[in-house]
Amino acid sequence: KAGVTQTPRYLIKTRGQQVTLSCSPISGHRSVSWYQQTPGQGLQFLFEYFSETQRNKGNFPGRFSGRQFSNSRSEMNVSTLELGDSALYLCASNEGPAGTGELFFGEGSRLTVL
Amino acid sequence: KNEVEQSPQNLTAQEGEFITINCSYSVGISALHWLQQHPGGGIVSLFMLSSGKKKHGRLIATINIQEKHSSLHITASHPRDSAVYICAVLPLQAGTALIFGKGTTLSVSS
Repeated sequence: KAGVTQTPRYLIKTRGQQVTLSCSPISGHRSVSWYQQTPGQGLQFLFEYFSETQRNKGNFPGRFSGRQFSNSRSEMNVSTLELGDSALYLCASNEGPAGTGELFFGEGSRLTVL
Repeated sequence: KNEVEQSPQNLTAQEGEFITINCSYSVGISALHWLQQHPGGGIVSLFMLSSGKKKHGRLIATINIQEKHSSLHITASHPRDSAVYICAVLPLQAGTALIFGKGTTLSVSS
């Protein structure tokens, strides 16, 4: 069974640009949740999608958005990038809502904003 | 005050030592997770607990719901255990997302 796949693994953008990150969950998993990890703040919840519906959203500005497709693959988008958006972005997939069962994380997408 | 506090923040040990990492939280929870993150980013789920104790190999996790406290123990530590260990809680309040501790960085030398 394939694990959680995130693409791209590394990317460099400049301030003001936008970025789209992709997450393919484990087959059969309906929940995809996204997290931002920085050295200062640790892991912070961005949002969760379950069966194509946004189930929950963290305390991030509207520049951060996401969606989930009918095959459960999810994308997150960050518009008008700021230097502070440099981080490791992780997604996790679950059979049920995030945290109610074992968490399966992808390797992450490391974003650098110059 | 953070809702999930881990201690210690950093931990160094010699191979073979018994390790304890603590996690305290301030909200009622339905589950607590222990995660391991090696350098390079990938996170692996070690345990999910809602009560009592779980054991997997050299790892033991315990939780005391009344005291809002959990511990992760590593017996006979090994250099490959060097990683960041993260505690995360799922609050009881419906529709609330996981809350993470800042992590404990463990370094085990041979």
